[in-house]
Amino acid sequence: EVHLVESGGALVQPGGSLRLTCAASGFTFSGYEMNWLRQAPGKGLEWVANVSEIGTVTHYVGSVKGRFTISRDNARNSLFLQMNSLRAEDTAIYYCAYGGSCVNDVCQSAAYFRHWGQGTLVTVSS
Amino acid sequence: DIQMTQSPSTLSASVGDRVTITCRASQSIRSWLAWYQQKPGKAPKLLIYQTSTLESGVPSRFSGSGSGIDFTLTISSLQPDDFATYYCQHYNSYPWTFGQGTKVEFK
Repeated sequence: EVHLVESGGALVQPGGSLRLTCAASGFTFSGYEMNWLRQAPGKGLEWVANVSEIGTVTHYVGSVKGRFTISRDNARNSLFLQMNSLRAEDTAIYYCAYGGSCVNDVCQSAAYFRHWGQGTLVTVSS
Repeated sequence: DIQMTQSPSTLSASVGDRVTITCRASQSIRSWLAWYQQKPGKAPKLLIYQTSTLESGVPSRFSGSGSGIDFTLTISSLQPDDFATYYCQHYNSYPWTFGQGTKVEFK
């Protein structure tokens, strides 16, 4: 069974930094692109960033470019989000997620999100 | 960036009703559209991808259609478990974006 468990959320002051971790189990972690998404309190969903299967290619939504860095450690089945220069508008629940499937040991990523973690809350406030 | 606009924002309905939610893209996204259901305090759940492909385990009362810029999620006969918020998401090009959500509530 797929498990994605986010951690690292906290209350942080504007301008501060935080590192989120997503611990993955129950699937071939290195076979999939991985994503971070977020949801501000009472608001809709926003895709934040993704990273390729071996970590060499990344994409970001414009509002976090230059401030957030997504990375992964396939040996530890872990996904990370380093968040710097945090702003009040970054306050949200942050989810890790992925899509795709494996067939006969061949995995293909998808750009929709089949599996989600439970989320971790980041609050940026003084 | 491609903007996704859902309508309505809120929909009041009764059990057994046929429910339709629309999603319009600001430019063509071909068929690269997914739909999610989210309940309070929970992560979203994938319902449909590639416009009309039903995710495994999702009841057949859910269906999706459309192409280009206009898309529809239909629930053929609303069940008590279906009262939730629904989001569309395009994945035609980066950044992937979501609609603002449609809350389906009790009439």
